[in-house]
Amino acid sequence: GENVEQHPSTLSVQEGDSAVIKCTYSDSASNYFPWYKQELGKGPQLIIDIRSNVGEKKDQRIAVTLNKTAKHFSLHITETQPEDSAVYFCAPRRAGSARQLTFGSGTQLTVLP
Amino acid sequence: DSGVTQTPKHLITATGQRVTLRCSPRSGDLSVYWYQQSLDQGLQFLIQYYNGEERAKGNILERFSAQQFPDLHSELNLSSLELGDSALYFCASSGDSQETQYFGPGTRLLVL
Repeated sequence: GENVEQHPSTLSVQEGDSAVIKCTYSDSASNYFPWYKQELGKGPQLIIDIRSNVGEKKDQRIAVTLNKTAKHFSLHITETQPEDSAVYFCAPRRAGSARQLTFGSGTQLTVLP
Repeated sequence: DSGVTQTPKHLITATGQRVTLRCSPRSGDLSVYWYQQSLDQGLQFLIQYYNGEERAKGNILERFSAQQFPDLHSELNLSSLELGDSALYFCASSGDSQETQYFGPGTRLLVL
């Protein structure tokens, strides 16, 4: 199955600063790269995704960049706010595949006011 | 609100018992996934159903089983419960592309 590594495991930033979380995967056939945000006491929610024919995607303060050659993709959050504090998970996969789904181990982001 | 519902929200039971967790997917979604999230752990994939049939299996214990019914809701059955089964259990659903998964609010299981 897919081996997924996510770094860092914890990240503290000052409000207004940027945060970057990196996800490295092993399956070169992966072609769908989502990021999920899990707030305390809630289920994970998709916040942004990218497909392998695109190198970067932006949605307001969040962006995802993909490097297929190096097999990693990153989540970028700019102008961080306290409500960005949560656990973030990556989950690279082959779209439509019935293979076992593997999430990264998660990154606890804390935005300090 | 993701459109995925899970019941119950909380469940407290004793070791050796059996419980059933229920999930209703988003309207129109044929795939249902079950995940276990233990304290300070990530999301561990358990099993996937697609339109009533088992599609993929992860690290699901033999004491656990699941099924998806004709109306597409799914149930996860946990038997001979142990203390270590205490965790959050999430259900997610997705459409035909099986790309984006929409997660329910979870069921928090506490085994005493």
